[in-house]
Amino acid sequence: DVKVTQSSRYLVKRTGEKVFLECVQDMDHENMFWYRQDPGLGLRLIYFSYDVKMKEKGDIPEGYSVSREKKERFSLILESASTNQTSMYLCASSLAGSYGYTFGSGTRLTVV
Amino acid sequence: QKEVEQDPGPLSVPEGAIVSLNCTYSNSAFQYFMWYRQYSRKGPELLMYTYSSGNKEDGRFTAQVDKSSKYISLFIRDSQPSDSATYLCAMRGDSSYKLIFGSGTRLLVRP
Repeated sequence: DVKVTQSSRYLVKRTGEKVFLECVQDMDHENMFWYRQDPGLGLRLIYFSYDVKMKEKGDIPEGYSVSREKKERFSLILESASTNQTSMYLCASSLAGSYGYTFGSGTRLTVV
Repeated sequence: QKEVEQDPGPLSVPEGAIVSLNCTYSNSAFQYFMWYRQYSRKGPELLMYTYSSGNKEDGRFTAQVDKSSKYISLFIRDSQPSDSATYLCAMRGDSSYKLIFGSGTRLLVRP
């Protein structure tokens, strides 16, 4: 069974901390994505990557950065966590040209 | 105005009812249309996908796309309590791998 694995289900961090969210996929997918999901706002794209070491900004990249050193791993970094980054973070991957994404189970991050 | 609009619900129906979920969109370049189901505290899972206009059926689920009206629908026949979830529509153009999501409709099927 194909999988996208996010390292943590729940995280609580303090304001100003640097936060790393990890995502690993075992499907040899080229594309990987980071979304955040908030009530009433749906899924909003933060960053995506279409190849190793390649990245592109999504709709809301401010306050975030990403790293993709290996094809299977895509990390989201909150440089200095703030309370407005409290959210559900979803990682996804897809094959180039395929219909849809495979999502991980999400990381619910609370910044206090 | 959002590129993809979806009524948030909640939509509450009795078991066995036919459910209709809908999205409208504004970008005529969209060609790939998908429906995702998301259970509470889980990531979305791909339910149905269609390319361009037309219908697609899979068991109790039917997806319809009307590109002339920029309107897509998901029908669920003989709805079950296990169908209770949030349903997200998503779409993209031919030259993009970036999906645009609706905000989701929460469905509750009462036993």
